[in-house]
Amino acid sequence: GQSLEQPSEVTAVEGAIVQINCTYQTSGFYGLSWYQQHDGGAPTFLSYNGLDGLEETGRFSSFLSRSDSYGYLLLQELQMKDSASYFCAVRANQAGTALIFGKGTTLSVSS
Amino acid sequence: NAGVTQTPKFQVLKTGQSMTLQCAQDMNHEYMSWYRQDPGMGLRLIHYSVGAGITDQGEVPNGYNVSRSTTEDFPLRLLSAAPSQTSVYFCASRDTAKNIQYFGAGTRLSVL
Repeated sequence: GQSLEQPSEVTAVEGAIVQINCTYQTSGFYGLSWYQQHDGGAPTFLSYNGLDGLEETGRFSSFLSRSDSYGYLLLQELQMKDSASYFCAVRANQAGTALIFGKGTTLSVSS
Repeated sequence: NAGVTQTPKFQVLKTGQSMTLQCAQDMNHEYMSWYRQDPGMGLRLIHYSVGAGITDQGEVPNGYNVSRSTTEDFPLRLLSAAPSQTSVYFCASRDTAKNIQYFGAGTRLSVL
């Protein structure tokens, strides 16, 4: 089976940088994804890492180390609108037919 | 382009009632999934489908049935609702080429 661990809460101030870590245990590994969810909304895709290294998309970056079964999401120049829950997810099987999600990290950004 | 559409948005049931949560996508994705979200539990996979006529169980399938007669539609059935099924339900479809999963707006279900 699969399991993912991520911190339950993170707090930061506007303009700061925050890192949300995710460690995983899987029977096979087929990529790590990150999703954002605002209160009352649907999860939306942020990034995907299939190979080791850093993927950058604007203020957000995601990193993967397959040897350490570890990844993180880096959010820079934090804004109030970044207050949300962030989920890491792994593919449930090689075919990638479904994703298994961690329990999520609630990020609170204050002014 | 509507994406993933879920109906209804809200529903209240009595224990023992049955109902079907509807999900439709217009992106021609083969892979679709159902999740439930409870406070502190993240998104838990209920059932998923890899194409019309093919479904499989996820992490928490008990009490739910699915079918996939067309690529577009993937309904979730509660056969006999229980208070433990009070939750927010999300349907999703997956673009396997881009590794992106798209979610519907959710159905908020209360079972009394």
